[in-house]
Amino acid sequence: GQSLEQPSEVTAVEGAIVQINCTYQTSGFYGLSWYQQHDGGAPTFLSYNALDGLEETGRFSSFLSRSDSYGYLLLQELQMKDSASYFCALSPMTTDSWGKLQFGAGTQVVVTP
Amino acid sequence: GAGVSQSPSNKVTEKGKDVELRCDPISGHTALYWYRQSLGQGLEFLIYFQGNSAPDKSGLPSDRFSAERTGGSVSTLTIQRTQQEDSAVYLCASSLARISSYEQYFGPGTRLTVT
Repeated sequence: GQSLEQPSEVTAVEGAIVQINCTYQTSGFYGLSWYQQHDGGAPTFLSYNALDGLEETGRFSSFLSRSDSYGYLLLQELQMKDSASYFCALSPMTTDSWGKLQFGAGTQVVVTP
Repeated sequence: GAGVSQSPSNKVTEKGKDVELRCDPISGHTALYWYRQSLGQGLEFLIYFQGNSAPDKSGLPSDRFSAERTGGSVSTLTIQRTQQEDSAVYLCASSLARISSYEQYFGPGTRLTVT
């Protein structure tokens, strides 16, 4: 099976940098995704790491290290609109789980002026 | 193009009643997912449809929950004899194919309140 752990909440000021860690235990997976969800809104896809290393998309970057069973989402130049919940999600490799996503519990990011 | 749509956006029902929630996925997306999200919680997987294959129902919490997908497009989630613990936001998502399940497109959800 698989499980993912994320911090429940992170607070930072505008303009700062925030790193949201995601550690996991799994028997095998294709990659790690990140989603953003504003209060009352739908989750939206941010990024995906199939391979180890850093993926950069504007102010957001995501990193994966399979050897360390660890990934993170980096939010740079924080803006008030970045206040939201962020979820990491695994794409399992097992036959009975392929095609599904296993989501973490989410990290609430609070950006203060 | 149009995104994933869900209806109704809000549903208030009395305990014991049946409810039907509808999802229209993005056109051409072969994979469709239902999730449940309680207030402040993560996403709980319910059921997954891929093309014409038998659905993966492994996340359905009880036999009061069922879902179907007609013509490989629209899906309906049915909850029979609703209970107060069924109150949550029900989210539908679709992806282009199983291989691209890492990138799912979510609808706005249906907020279900059981009184």
